[in-house]
Amino acid sequence: DTAVSQTPKYLVTQMGNDKSIKCEQNLGHDTMYWYKQDSKKFLKIMFSYNNKELIINETVPNRFSPKSPDKAHLNLHINSLELGDSAVYFCASSQDSHTEAFFGQGTRLTVV
Amino acid sequence: GESVGLHLPTLSVQEGDNSIINCAYSNSASDYFIWYKQESGKGPQFIIDIRSNMDKRQGQRVTVLLNKTVKHLSLQIAATQPGDSAVYFCAERGSGTYKYIFGTGTRLKVLA
Repeated sequence: DTAVSQTPKYLVTQMGNDKSIKCEQNLGHDTMYWYKQDSKKFLKIMFSYNNKELIINETVPNRFSPKSPDKAHLNLHINSLELGDSAVYFCASSQDSHTEAFFGQGTRLTVV
Repeated sequence: GESVGLHLPTLSVQEGDNSIINCAYSNSASDYFIWYKQESGKGPQFIIDIRSNMDKRQGQRVTVLLNKTVKHLSLQIAATQPGDSAVYFCAERGSGTYKYIFGTGTRLKVLA
């Protein structure tokens, strides 16, 4: 069983479109994250939610809006996609702030 | 600014030899450190962690060393195998925060 699953795995879309990436974890964790990995493999945190509440928002354009309907889900909606949004987006979860984060398989977003 | 490591270097190691991957971190207040392994097309996978009240921790074929004086973290892999080929990231977490800051990673290539 996949612990942290995100869909879709690949997403190709045109500039200006709006798209969503879904994430679900079945680990019973309280905290979920979105990370962005650029072409140089650099991983940067975007958002973190703890018990459905936003606790980290790292200078991300407001075109990006996370939504956590419940503790097991953290979706990422992106409006007006730009070329620079092309990257791999990873969802992750952790039990709390004292334990490791488990990552999903990533969503490769390509904006053309 | 935040920085954990500054490069994406490549380490080439002969199969069977030991590997040492290094990481410098910048936040002296960080109290939890993790090493992740990322294989091509996959999400980061937890390898081993260490808390700031320790200076060494061992797992199966892996050892993490923490030197808080010089803010340095290393991952030692014993008897490196072809399956160890991947990009390795160190990550730090500031005390009391939910934010994992990743280094830029090291690519490990295992030569047959």
